[in-house]
Amino acid sequence: EPEVTQTPSHQVTQMGQEVILRCVPISNHLYFYWYRQILGQKVEFLVSFYNNEISEKSEIFDDQFSVERPDGSNFTLKIRSTKLEDSAMYFCASSERLGQGAYFGPGTRLTVL
Amino acid sequence: GEDVEQSLFLSVREGDSSVINCTYTDSSSTYLYWYKQEPGAGLQLLTYIFSNMDMKQDQRLTVLLNKKDKHLSLRIADTQTGDSAIYFCAEDKIIFGKGTRLHILP
Repeated sequence: EPEVTQTPSHQVTQMGQEVILRCVPISNHLYFYWYRQILGQKVEFLVSFYNNEISEKSEIFDDQFSVERPDGSNFTLKIRSTKLEDSAMYFCASSERLGQGAYFGPGTRLTVL
Repeated sequence: GEDVEQSLFLSVREGDSSVINCTYTDSSSTYLYWYKQEPGAGLQLLTYIFSNMDMKQDQRLTVLLNKKDKHLSLRIADTQTGDSAIYFCAEDKIIFGKGTRLHILP
């Protein structure tokens, strides 16, 4: 069964450093998402992406965040200058059509020291 | 603003039915979803319901939707130990509730 994959599974970085979190969505899906979950808290929407552009973003998704689909398979989330409060589990998701629910990857645990 | 509310914890005996409740605020939601998160794992889409339906059944899972009250519930029949997880409801833009932790008693 096709699945969303994410790499790395765990990323440790120093405050102020840039990180790139990578995702490979399910191949025939057209809608892509990033979410984050701070330990013990709710899953928060960051951004949705369709047709090579951001379709929606939350207040969390400020100028330090960016997304890119550099080729036909990868979908990346870049955090330019990480802060301690960026430590969280970051989930990538994709869906074939709007309204069918999204399939989530296993997540990347980001730890900012 | 949009918000999704759930009770945080539910404890049931193995073999009993579990009912997890959720309220949402966005009345324009076309679809509503239930996701399951097992410890240390990602989110698994369990089921979804279209807003013009009031019930959907899928094996042991029954979703009930009261659109007037903006209330969504997930019933798990014959709850098993493998059902222990956190259950999230989500609305159209996939705005999640805080999740309900389902604990199964032997």
